[in-house]
Amino acid sequence: KAGVTQTPRYLIKTRGQQVTLSCSPISGHRSVSWYQQTPGQGLQFLFEYFSETQRNKGNFPGRFSGRQFSNSRSEMNVSTLELGDSALYLCASSALENTGELFFGEGSRLTVL
Amino acid sequence: TQLLKQSPQFLSIQEGENLTVYCNSSSVFSSLQWYRQEPGEGPVLLVTVVTGGEVKKLKRLTFQFGDARKDSSLHITAAQPGDTGLYLCAGAPAGTALIFGKGTTLSVSS
Repeated sequence: KAGVTQTPRYLIKTRGQQVTLSCSPISGHRSVSWYQQTPGQGLQFLFEYFSETQRNKGNFPGRFSGRQFSNSRSEMNVSTLELGDSALYLCASSALENTGELFFGEGSRLTVL
Repeated sequence: TQLLKQSPQFLSIQEGENLTVYCNSSSVFSSLQWYRQEPGEGPVLLVTVVTGGEVKKLKRLTFQFGDARKDSSLHITAAQPGDTGLYLCAGAPAGTALIFGKGTTLSVSS
């Protein structure tokens, strides 16, 4: 079956702009998690959604937000972009909430100039 | 504060050598997972260890969960260039989402 699909794969923005990233989970998976990956900090948890409800949230500023739709697809938004937001944003899906076994997409590479 | 500490951070070895990477925490986990990430891709789950003292083998990879369920190790026998990648351990503190260590970057040259 199809894996986790993230769009766009690459994007370049300038400081102050906003960005929306999209994630389509594996069919039948109801949990979607988002992570930010940078060389210095590794994978840092952003948020987790299950059945359209945010279940957990990481330690990121309010500029980072997300949502999940009834078909389990998810989006995350970053407003007022800063240079430090440049990162690989990874989406992962899971069949159950908090099982911890995640299936990752290839990520969206965001560069902020 | 990093809940899961991995060591070493970088490892560069020759084909055929053995290696061990470690994942340590001061907290108890109900389970720990190991993922491998290759450039341009997302992490892929290798194994989940659940029981303290558990040993799991995946071909040339051996995973161990500490008796106290605070640490884990990954041992690779006779490493091959195809083992090159970023190895990540992950665990979910009770009631929270899965968190990751910073990883061990392994480079195996032929």
